[in-house]
Amino acid sequence: DQQVKQNSPSLSVQEGRISILNCDYTNSMFDYFLWYKKYPAEGPTFLISISSIKDKNEDGRFTVFLNKSAKHLSLHIVPSQPGDSAVYFCAAATQGGSEKLVFGKGMKLTVNP
Amino acid sequence: DAGVIQSPRHEVTEMGQEVTLRCKPISGHDYLFWYRQTMMRGLELLIYFNNNVPIDDSGMPEDRFSAKMPNASFSTLKIQPSEPRDSAVYFCASRPTERGGAGELFFGEGSRLTVL
Repeated sequence: DQQVKQNSPSLSVQEGRISILNCDYTNSMFDYFLWYKKYPAEGPTFLISISSIKDKNEDGRFTVFLNKSAKHLSLHIVPSQPGDSAVYFCAAATQGGSEKLVFGKGMKLTVNP
Repeated sequence: DAGVIQSPRHEVTEMGQEVTLRCKPISGHDYLFWYRQTMMRGLELLIYFNNNVPIDDSGMPEDRFSAKMPNASFSTLKIQPSEPRDSAVYFCASRPTERGGAGELFFGEGSRLTVL
């Protein structure tokens, strides 16, 4: 029973173009969302987060959008670079008391030169 | 600063054998988490500790799995007996209390387990 879903397993884009990674969640109690990036043979590393009181958070080339009514968030990478090629995990949690992060299955992004 | 350190990086064992995975969290981090990554289920939380005390082990799949944290700088995840379906990458992660709530985790590089 996946509470956090990344329905597309992979995405391929050209360098310089926009990458859009999508994530859906089912638990309406989630109010904090994060994106992690993972390179092969390494652990996931934190990329960007957003609280449910916001609908957008930006950090350099990375922007996360949150649509609470649709229970949907997306990560935009502009412009995409070959070094962005990695697996991206969406994660969610309830800040009210749970320490648990629930992760999606991940999406493999390939940015072609 | 040293990150989260896990060992071994790779483990190949035969079904029925005991497997012990080890983790050294980042110094000063009060929370320690064990996750398992598989193709089918992605990253799943197995158990987490706060100040060396197990808080939630509801993700531990079976009694064959056990985890301990004898002190603030060391934790183990043990599988006994191991089965082929336990084959996965096991990640340890830690974070400090100050970050508040379910915030950013710092992951180790993982231990890839293969059970034949």
